[in-house]
Amino acid sequence: DTGVSQNPRHKITKRGQNVTFRCDPISEHNRLYWYRQTLGQGPEFLTYFQNEAQLEKSRLLSDRFSAERPKGSFSTLEIQRTEQGDSAMYLCASRPLAGRGNEQFFGPGTRLTVL
Amino acid sequence: GENVEQHPSTLSVQEGDSAVIKCTYSDSASNYFPWYKQELGKRPQLIIDIRSNVGEKKDQRIAVTLNKTAKHFSLHITETQPEDSAVYFCAAIGDFGNEKLTFGTGTRLTIIP
Repeated sequence: DTGVSQNPRHKITKRGQNVTFRCDPISEHNRLYWYRQTLGQGPEFLTYFQNEAQLEKSRLLSDRFSAERPKGSFSTLEIQRTEQGDSAMYLCASRPLAGRGNEQFFGPGTRLTVL
Repeated sequence: GENVEQHPSTLSVQEGDSAVIKCTYSDSASNYFPWYKQELGKRPQLIIDIRSNVGEKKDQRIAVTLNKTAKHFSLHITETQPEDSAVYFCAAIGDFGNEKLTFGTGTRLTIIP
């Protein structure tokens, strides 16, 4: 499968625990995005990387959230001290270099449940 | 920032009839408008998109129209089939350098056989 992949697909954790998700973008896509989707809503932008540089962060991304893309390939999203309100689907998307299309290709998501 | 509103939230259509979903956006600088289809438990997938320099784009049974003056765009699905049942999201993105897709709240389309 050459699409965007995310791991794990499901994560159940207790309130207060830390969780980390991984996203592997499509090869050679230099732009990578994280979105959060709650039930019945559209995806909401969290943050964006161009190569290894994190260029934009949403106000939704509190100081408990941190994202990295250390080598400009895969990315991780960590949530510290999880809260029940963090329960959502976390979607990753990637996009090729400028001039090669506007489409953001989405991964299957990681569904987080905080008990 | 950009705000995208989408209507209706649910839509039931008899198989073979047409379906229309409408969105409005607030940022006049927005220039790219994709539509995503999301089946239950699956990832959003692009079905059609339009840039602000055209008013209409068609791909088989799917078409999108854009009215820049009124800041609204619509998805049209003709000859609907049961496999068209899904949640559809419109989105908008701004000028070069703005990478954030702003999504509408979605329309749950049900095709009645």
